[in-house]
Formats: sequence, C-alpha cells, structure tokens
Amino acid sequence: TQLLEQSPQFLSIQEGENLTVYCNSSSVFSSLQWYRQEPGEGPVLLVTVVTGGEVKKLKRLTFQFGDARKDSSLHITAAQPGDTGLYLCAGGHFGNEKLTFGTGTRLTIIP
Amino acid sequence: KAGVTQTPRYLIKTRGQQVTLSCSPISGHRSVSWYQQTPGQGLQFLFEYFSETQRNKGNFPGRFSGRQFSNSRSEMNVSTLELGDSALYLCASSLAGGVLRSYEQYFGPGTRLTVT
Repeated sequence: TQLLEQSPQFLSIQEGENLTVYCNSSSVFSSLQWYRQEPGEGPVLLVTVVTGGEVKKLKRLTFQFGDARKDSSLHITAAQPGDTGLYLCAGGHFGNEKLTFGTGTRLTIIP
Repeated sequence: KAGVTQTPRYLIKTRGQQVTLSCSPISGHRSVSWYQQTPGQGLQFLFEYFSETQRNKGNFPGRFSGRQFSNSRSEMNVSTLELGDSALYLCASSLAGGVLRSYEQYFGPGTRLTVT
C-alpha cells in the first residue's frame, strides 16, 4: 500500500510568517499534486510537479518535488489569512487516474 | 468552462437504504473518479471510469458501485447504507487517456451524505 505522510498535521501561525509543509512516501510517484480544500468544498488543484528536483512557484507558494520523486514540500512566504485551509498532497502514476492522497495539513493563519 | 458539478450537495439517509449520487464532469473530460473523504481515513479512492468502463477500483465493498454514461456523466450508488458510510463524496474529472503523463484532476464540491 502506498502511503503519503504529511507533516505537520496541524499548523497555526501568525500572519506574515513563513511555513513549510512536507509530504513523504516510501514509494515513487510519477507526479505529485498539491490541493487546498476549504470546509464543505472539494479540493482545488494548486500545482502538479512531475520531474525529480522540480521547483514551481505560484506567487508566495513554492513547491518542490524530491529528486527521487518520493517526497515533496510546500513553502509559503508571508502567510496571509486567505491561505487558511486543508493542504493535501496526492501522488499519481502516468496512465492511471487514481490519486493516493496524503494525510493532510490543516493550516490556520491568525490575523 | 463550467466546473465539475455534483448533485445533490447534501443528503440524509437511514441505515439500510440506498443512495445514488451524480457527477457531471468538465466539458471534454473523459475520466471521472470518485473519492470518499472522512475525518478518520482522509481521502480514499473509490473507482474511476473512462469511456463508460471502470478502469480502476479502490478497496471498498461491493455495496459501492458506479457507472458512466456516453456523455461522461457518472453516478455512484451505495446500497444497504451503514453509519460508517457518512462522508463527503467527491467526484473528480480529467482529460485522461494518456500513458506518458498525468492529467490534472479537478474536483467538484462534493455530496455530504449523512446516514442515521
């Protein structure tokens, strides 16, 4: 069974601070997706990374895929209250639409 | 383009009943996947349909079933409902079809099912 462990599980920080969320697995994935989910809604795709070592930036969010394609990180700079939500990583394989989701990180940004 | 839509958004059922949930994918998307989300287990894959055929199946009992129509719309059915089936059921669509890449999946808002 492929598992994706996210850490930390919960994170509460002040507005303006930086943070990093980690997503780790013992398995190799072809691609890694990050989602943000708000209460009562479906996950919203933030980014997809497919190359080992790949780094993608989305405004204040920086995503990195590990060299071995087993882990990933999400770094947020100068967090804002609008960043509050449940962050989920999900691993996939080419030619297969099944995603294996991480355990989730619930982020709260305090104004 | 309109996003993924799911109906109904909320549903309350009694143990032993059955339920059908509906999902309309983004126009042009051929793959529809279903996931169950609970506080204890997180997001778990149920099954995936592509061109009206089930291509992948997760580790759920046979009470959970689905189908896809020629217009790519999909339904999932849960029979003999149990209290543990209470969850947010999410549908995701993607272009799919390729073996050399992953296609991004886009989720609907979900159907909140409560079994009493």
